[in-house]
Amino acid sequence: QQQVKQSPQSLIVQKGGISIINCAYENTAFDYFPWYQQFPGKGPALLIAIRPDVSEKKEGRFTISFNKSAKQFSLHIMDSQPGDSATYFCAASPSYNTDKLIFGTGTRLQVFP
Amino acid sequence: DAMVIQNPRYQVTQFGKPVTLSCSQTLNHNVMYWYQQKSSQAPKLLFHYYDKDFNNEADTPDNFQSRRPNTSFCFLDIRSPGLGDAAMYLCASTAGGYNSPLHFGNGTRLTVT
Repeated sequence: QQQVKQSPQSLIVQKGGISIINCAYENTAFDYFPWYQQFPGKGPALLIAIRPDVSEKKEGRFTISFNKSAKQFSLHIMDSQPGDSATYFCAASPSYNTDKLIFGTGTRLQVFP
Repeated sequence: DAMVIQNPRYQVTQFGKPVTLSCSQTLNHNVMYWYQQKSSQAPKLLFHYYDKDFNNEADTPDNFQSRRPNTSFCFLDIRSPGLGDAAMYLCASTAGGYNSPLHFGNGTRLTVT
């Protein structure tokens, strides 16, 4: 119930393509869903986050889509760039207690020119 | 412009030799965390402080201890490092409360020889 399942484990995309990473959760108490981006040798950094009162949130080339009934959410990176090459972690927690943030297993994205 | 600063970036210790990792944050955040991240895995929460209240995860080995002498600083002590403790150790902080994002440092890469 505490797991957040993330797929794929790795993703190779050509420059300009769309990168899609999917996550699924079981715990219905989760209502805060952030995505973190981690470059090699760096700590994760918050990329974008969504609450389930909206089905989509867009920030620049990054969009989170959220399906509450299916308990799934996904990250779409439009016009993927080589600089987007990083590991992406989805996460989930009850919004009242982000101390209990549960991370997905991560997706290593490589964008080739 | 890192606001969560971890020192050192790289630490080499010998099997069984105590080691201390340090973290400071200039964000005046109430909550600080220590995570362990092994290669190609998600960060794993070891413990966190809410102000001075210490919260240990149930599966954190007794070999790991922490100190938070003031709001800004937090230390991770590994009393008798084993080969399996080689990992990246990430410190993070948050203001706490509703949807507060985690701010991570760039980590300390620990090698045990």
